[in-house]
Amino acid sequence: DGGITQSPKYLFRKEGQNVTLSCEQNLNHDAMYWYRQDPGQGLRLIYYSQIVNDFQKGDIAEGYSVSREKKESFPLTVTSAQKNPTAFYLCASRSPSKGVGAFFGQGTRLTVV
Amino acid sequence: DQQVKQNSPSLSVQEGRISILNCDYTNSMFDYFLWYKKYPAEGPTFLISISSIKDKNEDGRFTVFLNKSAKHLSLHIVPSQPGDSAVYFCAARVYNQFYFGTGTSLTVIP
Repeated sequence: DGGITQSPKYLFRKEGQNVTLSCEQNLNHDAMYWYRQDPGQGLRLIYYSQIVNDFQKGDIAEGYSVSREKKESFPLTVTSAQKNPTAFYLCASRSPSKGVGAFFGQGTRLTVV
Repeated sequence: DQQVKQNSPSLSVQEGRISILNCDYTNSMFDYFLWYKKYPAEGPTFLISISSIKDKNEDGRFTVFLNKSAKHLSLHIVPSQPGDSAVYFCAARVYNQFYFGTGTSLTVIP
C-alpha cells in the first residue's frame, strides 16, 4: 500500500542535541512538506520541496534544516538553534496530477528534555 | 499573521443533527480551500476541497460552501455521526503552499 511513513512516532532528545526526523513516501509525489503543530495552534509550515534537490523555507524555518536527495525522502533535522523544539511534527506529500490535497504521515512527537 | 482563522475552538452537536464548522481567510490569492479531519496523535486526513471559482462542493454527508466576498467558508456535515468527532482543520492553498487554521474540535453526542 502506498503511503507516507514517519519514524519514529515518539522521540526524546536532550537539549542541545540535533535530531533528525524521517519521512518516506512511496506515492511517487513530487512535493513534500514539513509542518509543526503546537497545542492550540494550527499547522505551521517549516520547509517544503517541490522537486528533488530543491527546497524552500516556510514560515518557521529557523533552527531547522532539510534535504531532498531522493524523491521518496525528505528528512528534517531539528538543530540546537531551535528554541522550542518540543512539538508534534507532520510530514506531507502531494502530486499536482493527483488532486488538490496533501497526504499526511502519522506524525512524530518530539520531546526535548 | 494568521491568514486562515477558525474562531470556534470547539463545537458539540447531537447525533443526526447538522454540524457547521466555519473558517475565515484574508489572502485573496488562495486558489483552493480544503478541510482535513484529525484524530489525536495522528496525521490529518483530507476530507473535501473547493476551488476558489466555485461556491459549493458536496461529497456524501460533507458539503463545503465558499463565500468569496466575505472571505468565508464553511463545512456542513449532515447527518452528524459519533465517528465524526475529531478536530477539523480548514486549509487554503497558494503557490503550492498550504496554510492551516487552528482547528475546531467537533464532538458528536450520541
